[in-house]
Amino acid sequence: DQQVKQNSPSLSVQEGRISILNCDYTNSMFDYFLWYKKYPAEGPTFLISISSIKDKNEDGRFTVFLNKSAKHLSLHIVPSQPGDSAVYFCAATFNYGQNFVFGPGTRLSVLP
Amino acid sequence: KAGVTQTPRYLIKTRGQQVTLSCSPISGHRSVSWYQQTPGQGLQFLFEYFSETQRNKGNFPGRFSGRQFSNSRSEMNVSTLELGDSALYLCASSVSGQGEEQYFGPGTRLTVT
Repeated sequence: DQQVKQNSPSLSVQEGRISILNCDYTNSMFDYFLWYKKYPAEGPTFLISISSIKDKNEDGRFTVFLNKSAKHLSLHIVPSQPGDSAVYFCAATFNYGQNFVFGPGTRLSVLP
Repeated sequence: KAGVTQTPRYLIKTRGQQVTLSCSPISGHRSVSWYQQTPGQGLQFLFEYFSETQRNKGNFPGRFSGRQFSNSRSEMNVSTLELGDSALYLCASSVSGQGEEQYFGPGTRLTVT
């Protein structure tokens, strides 16, 4: 039973446009969410986080939105750059613990 | 500051053998977590150690075990290897392991033949 879902396995976006990556979760106990990106042959790299007490967090080109009632979060990348091409994972935990549950990932391709 | 390091990077073992993987966290980080990544199952949490104690454990059989040393370095052991244990094993560290991001190492690619 997948508790964290990323229903789009892949996404292609033109350079300079907005990339929107989506993530849904089923466990209402989750209270802390992270986004990671992963390049081939490397470990995941932390991008941005959000706590359940917030509905938005911004860091440069990256913004994460959390809709608790819909159990949905999204990552917006504006503007998208070719270097953003990677696999993006969302992850969730409860009680702010370190046993994160990861989604299956979405492969983002930013086309020049 | 040096990142999370994992050794070895690649490993080939035979079914039935055992293996030990090592992880050195970022200096000052006391929480170390281990994950298994496979194409079919994605990233799955194995366990987390903090101050030499296992604090959280995922749904893996007892063949998977770990420990943490006083310098926060951690080892993961898999006994009686099975073909299905072939995966990328990732280690992640954080300062206290409470409400903060984890920093991942490059992983150890284990192949069981």
